[in-house]
Amino acid sequence: DAGITQSPRYKITETGRQVTLMCHQTWSHSYMFWYRQDLGHGLRLIYYSAAADITDKGEVPDGYVVSRSKTENFPLTLESATRSQTSVYFCASSESVLARRYFGPGTRLTVL
Amino acid sequence: GIQVEQSPPDLILQEGANSTLRCNFSDSVNNLQWFHQNPWGQLINLFYIPSGTKQNGRLSATTVATERYSLLYISSSQTTDSGVYFCAVEGRGAQKLVFGQGTRLTINP
Repeated sequence: DAGITQSPRYKITETGRQVTLMCHQTWSHSYMFWYRQDLGHGLRLIYYSAAADITDKGEVPDGYVVSRSKTENFPLTLESATRSQTSVYFCASSESVLARRYFGPGTRLTVL
Repeated sequence: GIQVEQSPPDLILQEGANSTLRCNFSDSVNNLQWFHQNPWGQLINLFYIPSGTKQNGRLSATTVATERYSLLYISSSQTTDSGVYFCAVEGRGAQKLVFGQGTRLTINP
């Protein structure tokens, strides 16, 4: 049982490039989430999705785009990466908004 | 929005000691979860506990919702318990889990 996986685990890119971070879960959880973790800011919600084709903004959505065409996948795209988007990105899923939230292993993104 | 405060920010203990981590929150909640982030960065869900008490091995948690706090107890600490412990809460009517700043626990052999 793979659970929740993220790819790539590490990524280095340059300012202005488009980057897509992938998230896949095998539990058929309805809810999926993207967080970023930065020193001094803790974990902050970027976007979340309640089901396929339903997404909504979190705390820090600017500069990010998400889609959810299939229940199991929730990719996060940085359309034009900036240095301030250097961070560790975590994907998470849960059966419902109030259920236990399970996190993927994270993607460490560096924007030069 | 709801505020979450964890204490202490740092805790250093010897192997075998017991510890209590506290999470205070500023408003009524319908969701409270405890997570452990290990030294490799993995976030592991420990408890979903909006109220009451739960136990899982050496770990237990208690949430007193009426007084707006939750406690995480770790007994007979092991070096593998090291890492950062996060409390996260979701206020009533909100659809966002807000994380505290965490308690960094270091267990020395």
